[in-house]
Amino acid sequence: AQKITQTQPGMFVQEKEAVTLDCTYDTSDQSYGLFWYKQPSSGEMIFLIYQGSYDEQNATEGRYSLNFQKARKSANLVISASQLGDSAMYFCAMQGNAGNMLTFGGGTRLMVKP
Amino acid sequence: DGGITQSPKYLFRKEGQNVTLSCEQNLNHDAMYWYRQDPGQGLRLIYYSQIVNDFQKGDIAEGYSVSREKKESFPLTVTSAQKNPTAFYLCASTPERRRINEKLFFGSGTQLSVL
Repeated sequence: AQKITQTQPGMFVQEKEAVTLDCTYDTSDQSYGLFWYKQPSSGEMIFLIYQGSYDEQNATEGRYSLNFQKARKSANLVISASQLGDSAMYFCAMQGNAGNMLTFGGGTRLMVKP
Repeated sequence: DGGITQSPKYLFRKEGQNVTLSCEQNLNHDAMYWYRQDPGQGLRLIYYSQIVNDFQKGDIAEGYSVSREKKESFPLTVTSAQKNPTAFYLCASTPERRRINEKLFFGSGTQLSVL
């Protein structure tokens, strides 16, 4: 079975500073994908970044980067130069092989202070 | 613009009543999904469909039913058997059968509350 753990229920960050949101996962699959989604107060889920288990480079998408440490089974999201619009819930998710569906963590609420 | 439309945005259910949440997509995606989100928690899979006229139970299917008569539509019925239906419901889709690197496209959600 797959499991995603996000240990930070809520975090504050000062505007323009960087912040790291933690995500650890557990799976017996050799091949899997890791995703981060953002959920603003409006409710929709916005895809941010993807990392494949066999990707040698850490994924980056603009101000988002994924700190992937395979041996530790962690896939932390780093947001650089935080903006007020980054205030939202952030979810880590994993897709394994063998037809398993996407599994989500419990989320981290990020609040950016002006 | 292509996307997923969920309606209504807010829905109220009386005791013993069945209610249906609508999900329509014009992305020409084969696979569609329903997730439930409780306050402060992550998403849990209710049902998914990878092709028309076929669907599979997810982790929390009890008290819910779905149909997939058309490629673009995947309605979710919350039956009276679902004793705790208050939650935020999200519909999603992917171009085809789930693969490791395929992201989900989401609708904007329906908030269901019990009167």
